[in-house]
Amino acid sequence: TQLLEQSPQFLSIQEGENLTVYCNSSSVFSSLQWYRQEPGEGPVLLVTVVTGGEVKKLKRLTFQFGDARKDSSLHITAAQPGDTGLYLCAGNSRTYKYIFGTGTRLKVLA
Amino acid sequence: EPEVTQTPSHQVTQMGQEVILRCVPISNHLYFYWYRQILGQKVEFLVSFYNNEISEKSEIFDDQFSVERPDGSNFTLKIRSTKLEDSAMYFCASSELAGYGYTFGSGTRLTVV
Repeated sequence: TQLLEQSPQFLSIQEGENLTVYCNSSSVFSSLQWYRQEPGEGPVLLVTVVTGGEVKKLKRLTFQFGDARKDSSLHITAAQPGDTGLYLCAGNSRTYKYIFGTGTRLKVLA
Repeated sequence: EPEVTQTPSHQVTQMGQEVILRCVPISNHLYFYWYRQILGQKVEFLVSFYNNEISEKSEIFDDQFSVERPDGSNFTLKIRSTKLEDSAMYFCASSELAGYGYTFGSGTRLTVV
C-alpha cells in the first residue's frame, strides 16, 4: 500500500517567518501534486511536479520533488496570514488516482 | 476561471436511503473523479471515469456505489443504501489529462443519520 506521510502535522508561526513542510514515502511516484484546502472547501491545486529533482516556484512558495521521486517539500518564504490552511501532497503512480498525504495544518499569526 | 460545480452542498439522509450527488465538471475535461474525506481524515480516492466507463476504482467503491454521466455535462455518484459510515465530504474533480492537473469542486457534505 502506498502511503504519503507529511510533517509536521501542525505548524503555527508568526507572520514573516519561513517554513518548510515535507511529504515522504517509500514508494516512487510518477508525479506529485501539492494542494491547499480551506475549511469546508475542496483542495485547490498549487503545483504538479513530474521530474526527479524538479524545483518549481509560485511567488513565495517553492516546491521540490526529490531526486528519487519518493519525497517532496514545500517551502514558504515570509509567511502571511493568507497562507493559513491545510497543505496536502498527493502522489500518482501511472494510474488515474492520486494518493493523498496526511496533511500539514498551517496557521500564520499576524 | 473554470470551475467544477457540485450540488447539493449539504445533504442529510436517513440510513438505508439512496442519494445522488451531482457534479458539473469543466467543459473541456475528459477525466472525472470522485474522492471523499471523512471528517479529520485523509482525502480518499473512490473512482475515476473516462470515455463513459470506470477506468479505476478503489476498494471503498463497492456495489453500493455507482457513477454515471447521464448527459454531456453532469457526472453523478449514487449511493444505493447509505450507511452511517458513508458520512463524509464528497469531492468531484476533473482533469484534461489523465491523472494530471485536477480541479476539485467545493464538495457535498453528506450526513447519514
